[in-house]
Amino acid sequence: GAVVSQHPSWVICKSGTSVKIECRSLDFQATTMFWYRQFPKQSLMLMATSNEGSKATYEQGVEKDKFLINHASLTLSTLTVTSAHPEDSSFYICSASHAGGVSRADTQYFGPGTRLTVL
Amino acid sequence: GQQVMQIPQYQHVQEGEDFTTYCNSSTTLSNIQWYKQRPGGHPVFLIQLVKSGEVKKQKRLTFQFGEAKKNSSLHITATQTTDVGTYFCAGKRANDYKLSFGAGTTVTVRA
Repeated sequence: GAVVSQHPSWVICKSGTSVKIECRSLDFQATTMFWYRQFPKQSLMLMATSNEGSKATYEQGVEKDKFLINHASLTLSTLTVTSAHPEDSSFYICSASHAGGVSRADTQYFGPGTRLTVL
Repeated sequence: GQQVMQIPQYQHVQEGEDFTTYCNSSTTLSNIQWYKQRPGGHPVFLIQLVKSGEVKKQKRLTFQFGEAKKNSSLHITATQTTDVGTYFCAGKRANDYKLSFGAGTTVTVRA
């Protein structure tokens, strides 16, 4: 159980275009999903927290107008990188918690990640 | 804000030897989680520690949570080539939904 999928697994796009990444919890309902970005040889940096039916909470320094998050259902969250530029090239990983994510016992289950390359 | 420091950043180990990676938080944690990321892969959940002084074992891996719930360690015995990857700790504060990840310890093994 607790499987999270991401689509696409990799994408190459031209500078200026927008890219949408999907994150799905396959066998559980995820009230809360998290979006991380990981640059080569670095740790995971939380970008935003996505809550079903409400606006996402963005971390300091993350542009909410550039990284649009939509959590339309209890099993799907999407991240859209708008007007992508080469510096947005990175590994984007989502994770999901079973419940609201505020219980101390909650575990985050990670998707396989999406490798974005902007030319 | 909360910071989780992890050392060492790199660990090059002879096959069969033991090693330990350490995490320290600037604040008290409600729990700490450990993940393993293989090269080219995504983080995979290993374990969660909740209680002060807790020790858990998974085969050759031993995880500890400090008495003050501010530090944790992962000790691997008899390292194998399958242990290659980056090990991350991630701390969670009470009433906070976010995880703060350490920088990770990247492990390479020489046969």
